[in-house]
Amino acid sequence: DVVLTQSPLSLPVTLGQPASISCRSTQSLVHSDGNTYLGWLQQRPGQSPRRLIYKVSNRDSGVPDRFSGSGAGTDFTLKISRVEAEDVGVYYCMQGTNWRTFGQGTKVEIK
Amino acid sequence: EVQLVESGGDLVQPGGSLRLSCAASGFTFGAYWMAWLRQAPGKGLEFVAQINQDGSEKYSLDSVKGRFTISRDNAKNSLYLQMNSLRVEDTALYYCARDEGRSFPYWGRGTLVSVSS
Repeated sequence: DVVLTQSPLSLPVTLGQPASISCRSTQSLVHSDGNTYLGWLQQRPGQSPRRLIYKVSNRDSGVPDRFSGSGAGTDFTLKISRVEAEDVGVYYCMQGTNWRTFGQGTKVEIK
Repeated sequence: EVQLVESGGDLVQPGGSLRLSCAASGFTFGAYWMAWLRQAPGKGLEFVAQINQDGSEKYSLDSVKGRFTISRDNAKNSLYLQMNSLRVEDTALYYCARDEGRSFPYWGRGTLVSVSS
């Protein structure tokens, strides 16, 4: 099974400052069709998960452009350019290349 | 607007059964793979099962194989999860999601399954 490891697991940030979350896979996430099925989801307190990013760097409709995804192969990153109060929550990376698995989650909170 | 509304969650004793339902609207249900995922209290997300458009292909987590069965009724725009031989470790909020492009762009609000004696 593909295991995704996120770091850090807790991320206190100052409003207006950038934040970065890493996601590493135990195997390459490049699918035989050439795509890399790594995405990011946000789960605000008390809410369902919401997809932010798919196929490494594609933002979903309505997602602010302060969110960006990057990476390749086994190493991926979610960046928030300037954290806002509404960004508080848990962020998960998820891979769909081989079955579907999730990282452990990174809790983003305001300092 | 895509909407997914789960129902059927309850408190059940170990060894018991439950049938979860997911009512879909706002899209052509029969055109998409669908999935069930779960989240144990205070824990992360786990993919449970998926089903293709006509129900001919189904895949599930090893720990639920032989106990859980995913199914769908495209005429009723509904997804189901039949859960038998429930265990304490199956306690979770169960989400219905549209499985699209090997990802989940749409999620329901979930239905809570509690397994306890």
